[in-house]
Order: sequence, then C-alpha cells, then structure tokens
Amino acid sequence: AQSVSQHNHHVILSEAASLELGCNYSYGGTVNLFWYVQYPGQHLQLLLKYFSGDPLVKGIKGFEAEFIKSKFSFNLRKPSVQWSDTAEYFCAVPYSGAGSYQLTFGKGTKLSVIP
Amino acid sequence: DVKVTQSSRYLVKRTGEKVFLECVQDMDHENMFWYRQDPGLGLRLIYFSYDVKMKEKGDIPEGYSVSREKKERFSLILESASTNQTSMYLCASGRDAYNSPLHFGNGTRLTVT
Repeated sequence: AQSVSQHNHHVILSEAASLELGCNYSYGGTVNLFWYVQYPGQHLQLLLKYFSGDPLVKGIKGFEAEFIKSKFSFNLRKPSVQWSDTAEYFCAVPYSGAGSYQLTFGKGTKLSVIP
Repeated sequence: DVKVTQSSRYLVKRTGEKVFLECVQDMDHENMFWYRQDPGLGLRLIYFSYDVKMKEKGDIPEGYSVSREKKERFSLILESASTNQTSMYLCASGRDAYNSPLHFGNGTRLTVT
C-alpha cells in the first residue's frame, strides 16, 4: 500500500509570509498526486493535481506544487498567504486496490494565518 | 456541480446501537468511499465500492460494514457502536481515484456515548 507523510502538523504564519508544506510518498513508480484543502466548516475539496508533464503545477487561489521524483516529494507552496488560507491541507496519492484504485491521505497540516 | 449528500450532519448514539450513515451522489460515479477523519490521524479509508454490490475493505474496516444496492447510494453501518467510533465520517465519490478528483460530502459527526 502507498503511504504519505506530511511533515508539519500545525503551521502558523503571518499574512504575506511564504508557505511551503511538505509531502512525501512511498511508491516509486508512475504516480498521480493530489492536494486537497478543507476550510473551516466546509467539505474537503481539490486544490491541485499532478498527473504528468510539467512538474510544477498550479492550482486554485495562487497555490502551486512541485513534483520531484528523485525525492518522492510533492510540496505545496504559496508565495504570500492570506487570512482566508486558514485551513487544513491534505496530500493524497492513489494506489491500486482490489478492483479499483483507492486514495490514501497524509495526516494533514493545519495552517493558521494571523492577520 | 457534483453533489455528495450525507443524510445527517450530527448524530448521537448509544454504545451497542446499530448505526446507519447514508450517502448519496448525483453524478453517476462508479466509485464511492467512506473515510473517518480524526485529529492528528488525517483521513483513513474504511470501505470503498467500485460498482453496485461490490465492496472492498480499506485500512480500518473492523466494526463497520457497507451496503451499495444502487449506484448513487453508499451506506456505512456500525453493527454495534462503540465509543472509539466517535468521529467525523466523510463520504466521497469519483469516476475513479487514480485520474479523477474525489468529491466529498460535508461529513457526519458521530458521537457514541
């Protein structure tokens, strides 16, 4: 089974600070990668995804992530965070189970942005 | 827009009760999933289904069962609720989990007393 590690449990930043959240996965073959976000009181939603091609992918709200195959990493970045980015962020990787693919998630990183 | 609807936002049940959590999706997705979300543990997969009447165990299936009699509906059943099943339960659906994003419901916060 695939495993996903997120290095930071809780990150606290001031507005306008730069953000980088780490994500490492265990599978070494061809892999798709996702970042999901959960804003307070809302459902989980897709932030961005990597399938193939350009290893730097852009998502919604100014977020981007870089896939580095040699490091098994898919770190999430934003140059300048806003208070509205306060949320929990989850990295996720699909892997093949019986009959279909499953999606395994990291433990999440809670981001608190101070105005 | 895809909609995944979970029947209850909050539930309070007693230890030993049989509990049903219902989930309905409106996009004709083949795949449906049940996760539980706990602080510091992220999302853990309980069960998933890739077709009607097909089900597969996830990472933490003990104490749970599922039912998928119709494509749009996926039910999670706690056969005999216990306090360690107090959690947030998330339902998701998707065309597949490899190439397509999953769409999540708002969650059911279950408290077992």
